[in-house]
Amino acid sequence: KAGVTQTPRYLIKTRGQQVTLSCSPISGHRSVSWYQQTPGQGLQFLFEYFSETQRNKGNFPGRFSGRQFSNSRSEMNVSTLELGDSALYLCASSPTDRVYKTQYFGPGTRLLVL
Amino acid sequence: SQQGEEDPQALSIQEGENATMNCSYKTSINNLQWYRQNSGRGLVHLILIRSNEREKHSGRLRVTLDTSKKSSSLLITASRAADTASYFCATDGTGTASKLTFGTGTRLQVTL
Repeated sequence: KAGVTQTPRYLIKTRGQQVTLSCSPISGHRSVSWYQQTPGQGLQFLFEYFSETQRNKGNFPGRFSGRQFSNSRSEMNVSTLELGDSALYLCASSPTDRVYKTQYFGPGTRLLVL
Repeated sequence: SQQGEEDPQALSIQEGENATMNCSYKTSINNLQWYRQNSGRGLVHLILIRSNEREKHSGRLRVTLDTSKKSSSLLITASRAADTASYFCATDGTGTASKLTFGTGTRLQVTL
């Protein structure tokens, strides 16, 4: 099976702009989670979608949002970008099994906000 | 915020030696997992240990879990240069949502 794919891989934006990142999960996986990774804060959970519904959300401001489509592909959006949003954004998908929550990560989108 | 800490933050060893990393966490868990990350890329799942297990092996990897101390360790035996990466423990609580809480990570450097 093809792995998790994320587009774009690299992105440069300026403060105040908005950005949309895309994630295609492994075929058959219905859960998609998003994480932000920065040198200062490490890996932090953003949100998780399952069957087009947001099932869990981390401690991020409302500028961070996401959605999932019927084919399980997911997008996350960050509005009014700030310098501190520069990070590696990782998407992960999981099978429907709810007990063993192994996640399969994509290569990430590296966002630089200038 | 992160679930816990990992130590050491960085570890440098020679090829063939064993590498041990430790992870501590704060709250009750369902499972604990270890992931590897190469140079700011995506994470790769290594091994999962359930809260009712004490030890698990996978190839050159050995993981232990002590729920009374809220700690886990990852041992990589006979390290290779290709093992150079950052290693993270991740915990998930009870419930159905797939949310992992990661530790701070250990950066492992294996030299020839």
